[in-house]
Amino acid sequence: EIVLTQSPATVSLSPGERATLSCRASQSVSSSLAWYEQKPGQAPRLLIYDASNRATGIPDRFSGSGSGTDFTLIISSLEPEDFAVYYCQQRSNWPRTFGQGTKVEIK
Amino acid sequence: QITLKESGPTLVKPTQTLTLTCTFSGFSFNTAGLGVGWIRQPPGKALEWLALIYWNDDKRYSPSLKSRLTITKDTSKNQVVLTMTNMDPVDTATYYCAMDSGSYRYFDYWGQGTLVTVSS
Repeated sequence: EIVLTQSPATVSLSPGERATLSCRASQSVSSSLAWYEQKPGQAPRLLIYDASNRATGIPDRFSGSGSGTDFTLIISSLEPEDFAVYYCQQRSNWPRTFGQGTKVEIK
Repeated sequence: QITLKESGPTLVKPTQTLTLTCTFSGFSFNTAGLGVGWIRQPPGKALEWLALIYWNDDKRYSPSLKSRLTITKDTSKNQVVLTMTNMDPVDTATYYCAMDSGSYRYFDYWGQGTLVTVSS
């Protein structure tokens, strides 16, 4: 099973700041990695697929990069609605696995 | 418009079997590439992938839970059913069904989730 390790666990930032979230895989997943956003009491929402592609309707302040084992999600300028928990997920191997999440909180 | 909704008991006793139903609309399970899966999230914790069933009845399970899980689909009723045997308090979680529409090969549509508590 591929283990996804996200860092940091929590990051405290102010609106307008840049957020950089990391996801590291225990073995290569090529580019088969997605990022989701989850707000309290809500289901996750797909943001980025195949490492660097924004899903439909996702603002361009969200960008993803990486391949192999190291991936990054960048939120270029945090909006108030971006304070949430972000999860990565791989689809390279079975079982599909999620990271443990990074919480982006207001500083 | 694609929607998914989970239904089932909110409270089960230890050792009982949980049966959850995901009822969807706005798409057909006859669509090649389409899959519906189950993901759970214990309170305050991370997402855990459980199982997935594809349009062609291909089924995949989490190895750690495989012996306890069964996923089936009823195309005529637009439903996917997950059963989990021998429930334990550690299985207390919000259970989500989610769809891989084939557009992205990830879960691009999600239900609202249903909280299942395991307690005597």
